[in-house]
Amino acid sequence: QVQLVESGGGLVKPGGSLRLSCAASGFTFSDYYMSWIRQAPGKGLEWVSYISSSGSTIYYADSVKGRFTISRDNAKNSLYLQMNSLRAEDTAVYYCARDPQVGDHFDYWGQGTLVTVSS
Amino acid sequence: EIVLTQSPATLSLSPGERATLSCRASQSVSSYLAWYQQKPGQAPRLLIYDASNRATGIPARFSGSGSGTDFTLTISSLEPEDFAVYYCQQRSNWPPLITFGQGTRLEIK
Repeated sequence: QVQLVESGGGLVKPGGSLRLSCAASGFTFSDYYMSWIRQAPGKGLEWVSYISSSGSTIYYADSVKGRFTISRDNAKNSLYLQMNSLRAEDTAVYYCARDPQVGDHFDYWGQGTLVTVSS
Repeated sequence: EIVLTQSPATLSLSPGERATLSCRASQSVSSYLAWYQQKPGQAPRLLIYDASNRATGIPARFSGSGSGTDFTLTISSLEPEDFAVYYCQQRSNWPPLITFGQGTRLEIK
């Protein structure tokens, strides 16, 4: 069965960095676009970034552009999000999600990992 | 950027009643509109994609309709497990960016 497992969240000071990982299993990872989507405490969903199956196409939300970098390792069935220059407003649960149709929708989600940016 | 506006913000209904949730886009998104259900402490679950296609394993009481800028999620007869928050989501053509609506909370009356 399809599984997505995020890791790497935690407490970080403003201006700091963190790298999130998402381990995928149960499907051919290299066939799918993947996205990161976040949810601040008590708030709605916000798309962060997506990456094409080969890694050649990448887009970011304006709120993270220039600070976050998405990447993937198809040999390791893994998705990553490098987060730099973190701000308090980046505090959220970060989900990775599988995208079967180029951003049209997300059919499988991980359980999420919490990132807290605070001094 | 395309903005999705969901209404109402909160909907109070009883089990067995029909629920109608709305999602309006600031410009046309053709039929690239999806709906998700989220319960407390859980990840969102895909219900509907391409405006009207039910995702795998989703009960027939969930249906989606609409195109262009106006979309509707209908739950024909509410079950106790349907009380949750519902989000719509779209991907614009260019730039190909993704946005979510702010959510509708469906609560037990």
